[in-house]
Amino acid sequence: IAGITQAPTSQILAAGRRMTLRCTQDMRHNAMYWYRQDLGLGLRLIHYSNTAGTTGKGEVPDGYSVSRANTDDFPLTLASAVPSQTSVYFCASKKTGEDNEQFFGPGTRLTVL
Amino acid sequence: AQKVTQAQTEISVVEKEDVTLDCVYETRDTTYYLFWYKQPPSGELVFLIRRNSFDEQNEISGRYSWNFQKSTSSFNFTITASQVVDSAVYFCALSEGPGGYNKLIFGAGTRLAVHP
Repeated sequence: IAGITQAPTSQILAAGRRMTLRCTQDMRHNAMYWYRQDLGLGLRLIHYSNTAGTTGKGEVPDGYSVSRANTDDFPLTLASAVPSQTSVYFCASKKTGEDNEQFFGPGTRLTVL
Repeated sequence: AQKVTQAQTEISVVEKEDVTLDCVYETRDTTYYLFWYKQPPSGELVFLIRRNSFDEQNEISGRYSWNFQKSTSSFNFTITASQVVDSAVYFCALSEGPGGYNKLIFGAGTRLAVHP
């Protein structure tokens, strides 16, 4: 693994189903983030984690949950998917330090029908 | 409230033209960071540059240059002699300073199409 990986690459999901998007990084970054990208809105932060064991809510957290059991993994769960959660989801990580850039995974395209 | 505005939704140019992508930001923080990311058609997000609020020097990297002006809260990006490979969506982003969790606030993006 080099950088950030996300799985699955894409998924079509029936409304009401539970879904977990996986994110793994091998850069030993402390901070990790989940964003969703929607046309005309750019990327918006869903949840973040400054370090293993801690998480926080971003701009659009409703309907999503996260956990951070270790440094490398930061899964995003949709407990009961709704069509408005159709989006492209990006995981990102960042080295400690305010001015460091975030590195992004390749994204997961999720369609909720 | 923090906000990033990229007023240009789409720009279309012919190869070798110069093009400037505008970015205007709003923040109450005195310490903040500005970023540009590129998203080519393949979909990944590629970091281009970061600038902190205390460094107003313009920067040039090959055909890319950035103009940061605190007086107008702008961080514009210019591509000189554009090429087809520059076709992408470009995002400007703002990050909080001390005490924040360093989330990135993105603009809506500008889609640049460079035609041969």
